[in-house]
Amino acid sequence: RKEVEQDPGPFNVPEGATVAFNCTYSNSASQSFFWYRQDCRKEPKLLMSVYSSGNEDGRFTAQLNRASQYISLLIRDSKLSDSATYLCVVIYNTDKLIFGTGTRLQVFP
Amino acid sequence: DAGVTQSPTHLIKTRGQQVTLRCSPKSGHDTVSWYQQALGQGPQFIFQYYEEEERQRGNFPDRFSGHQFPNYSSELNVNALLLGDSALYLCASSQGTGSNEKLFFGSGTQLSVL
Repeated sequence: RKEVEQDPGPFNVPEGATVAFNCTYSNSASQSFFWYRQDCRKEPKLLMSVYSSGNEDGRFTAQLNRASQYISLLIRDSKLSDSATYLCVVIYNTDKLIFGTGTRLQVFP
Repeated sequence: DAGVTQSPTHLIKTRGQQVTLRCSPKSGHDTVSWYQQALGQGPQFIFQYYEEEERQRGNFPDRFSGHQFPNYSSELNVNALLLGDSALYLCASSQGTGSNEKLFFGSGTQLSVL
């Protein structure tokens, strides 16, 4: 079983749609959680951290469920520019980021 | 203020050859981590360098080695290249260890092994 699992997609949604991605992790000792965004063959960039209380950044909302060991990302009012791969990231050992395979999102007009 | 820079951007090698990839961290950063990203996969942690020593290592064979210089720049060396080593190699820098949220990635080196 992979340490971090994501549905690879692709998710094809129209502009303005709401889309949600889930990610599960296997190590209950995981300490920190993030969502990264990666455009085609470019470097990953931090989108947002994920906290147990849930957190929001504009159209993006992240949630963490420690009991079920899953993380979610909700994107509201999708824009064409949101098209990218979204990587779920977990840390349970200092400094070592464990990435999921990524979920590809394609927003169409 | 330059971010993380990697060279070369693209590289083509043949099986059995050796390759060296280079990374200069963001100004003020002293820790460098290397990741391998195969097509369709997420980045996989190779190792991390701090104070010119390898501090952590992922599940990669000894063919993968590295070095950090006094100016904090780093090299990744891969010996006896295999077709499966074809990937995007990403360097990430940070200030000290334990500052995971402040990782900055370079744009990567695309290695193709023929």
